[in-house]
Amino acid sequence: DQQVKQNSPSLSVQEGRISILNCDYTNSMFDYFLWYKKYPAEGPTFLISISSIKDKNEDGRFTVFLNKSAKHLSLHIVPSQPGDSAVYFCAASEPSTSNTGKLIFGQGTTLQVKP
Amino acid sequence: ETGVTQSPTHLIKTRGQQVTLRCSSQSGHNTVSWYQQALGQGPQFIFQYYREEENGRGNFPPRFSGLQFPNYSSELNVNALELDDSALYLCASSRPDRYEQYFGPGTRLTVT
Repeated sequence: DQQVKQNSPSLSVQEGRISILNCDYTNSMFDYFLWYKKYPAEGPTFLISISSIKDKNEDGRFTVFLNKSAKHLSLHIVPSQPGDSAVYFCAASEPSTSNTGKLIFGQGTTLQVKP
Repeated sequence: ETGVTQSPTHLIKTRGQQVTLRCSSQSGHNTVSWYQQALGQGPQFIFQYYREEENGRGNFPPRFSGLQFPNYSSELNVNALELDDSALYLCASSRPDRYEQYFGPGTRLTVT
């Protein structure tokens, strides 16, 4: 069973516009969420994270929103740049008392930002 | 600050053989996790090592094993390789009090 889902395999956006990447989860025990970016032939790079006690976290052009009641989070990139073109993964983790360090990843969304 | 490094970059093995992959953690990190990423999928958790002991395991058979050394580097060993073991193997390091994990570039394993 897929506990973390990214239902859009790909997204294409014009440079300068907003990119919105979505992620849904099923396990209500998840209390920390992360977004990673991956270029071909490289490992995932940590972008931004959010704790379940918050509903928004911002870091420069990147903002993550968490809606716990809907079990949904999203990553907003504003403005989008061609260098943002990559595969984006959403990941989730359970509380630290039971946390074995296991991150559960979605399938990824490929973002293409067109100049 | 040195990031996570992995070796080798690429590897081709034959079904039934054994393979060892290596990882050096990021400076200041004493926890190492291993993930398998199949084509078109997200990374899947194999196991984590902390203080040289396995600290959690995903849904992988016992032929996947690991080690962590006193300098926090780690090895992933896979015995009796199967064709489905062909994947990108990622190592990630972290501090034990943080959720964020930092990944190496990965080792691409091909089993023929």
